Amino acid sequence: AQSVTQLGSHVSVSEGALVLLRCNYSSSVPPYLFWYVQYPNQGLQLLLKYTTGATLVKGINGFEAEFKKSETSFHLTKPSAHMSDAAEYFCAVSDPTGRRALTFGSGTRLQVQP
Amino acid sequence: DTAVSQTPKYLVTQMGNDKSIKCEQNLGHDTMYWYKQDSKKFLKIMFSYNNKELIINETVPNRFSPKSPDKAHLNLHINSLELGDSAVYFCASSQGPGLAEETQYFGPGTRLLVL
Repeated sequence: AQSVTQLGSHVSVSEGALVLLRCNYSSSVPPYLFWYVQYPNQGLQLLLKYTTGATLVKGINGFEAEFKKSETSFHLTKPSAHMSDAAEYFCAVSDPTGRRALTFGSGTRLQVQP
Repeated sequence: DTAVSQTPKYLVTQMGNDKSIKCEQNLGHDTMYWYKQDSKKFLKIMFSYNNKELIINETVPNRFSPKSPDKAHLNLHINSLELGDSAVYFCASSQGPGLAEETQYFGPGTRLLVL
């Protein structure tokens, strides 16, 4: 069974500051990893994903994440926060050995202060 | 040009009623999903269909019945609604047969409130 832990249900940063959203996973096999963003009253949108290859993955809107197998982590970062980044962020995993749907973390709400 | 659309957007109903939520995708994708997001924002898969065939059926009360008339549509029918069914229901689709690496495209959600 897989699980995802997102440390910090709420993160607040100042505009222009570094954004760091943490995600750790538990899986019996190396999983595929995803970050999705949910803006208020909208559906989820893919930010980036890791399946194979380079462990540093770049996504949309200046976000990136690094897969660290030894730490079972896939933390999301952005060098400089914008007001428009305020949203709910979900880390998710899937099992590459079968046709399975995503297992989501509980989400982290990012607030960006002016 | 909405890629994944859901109707209705909001649904308020009484306990015991039966209701349906409809989902349509115009992306030409082969696989569709239903997720439930509870009041704490936790998202959990309910069902998945690939080309009208059920491929994922998580532990969901049998009051919930998905129906896929064609690969562009996946509807969710809920019988005998209970208070605990109040949630946001998201439909999603992906291009392939539902493999683990596929990007899922989500609809805007249907907010169900059971009184």
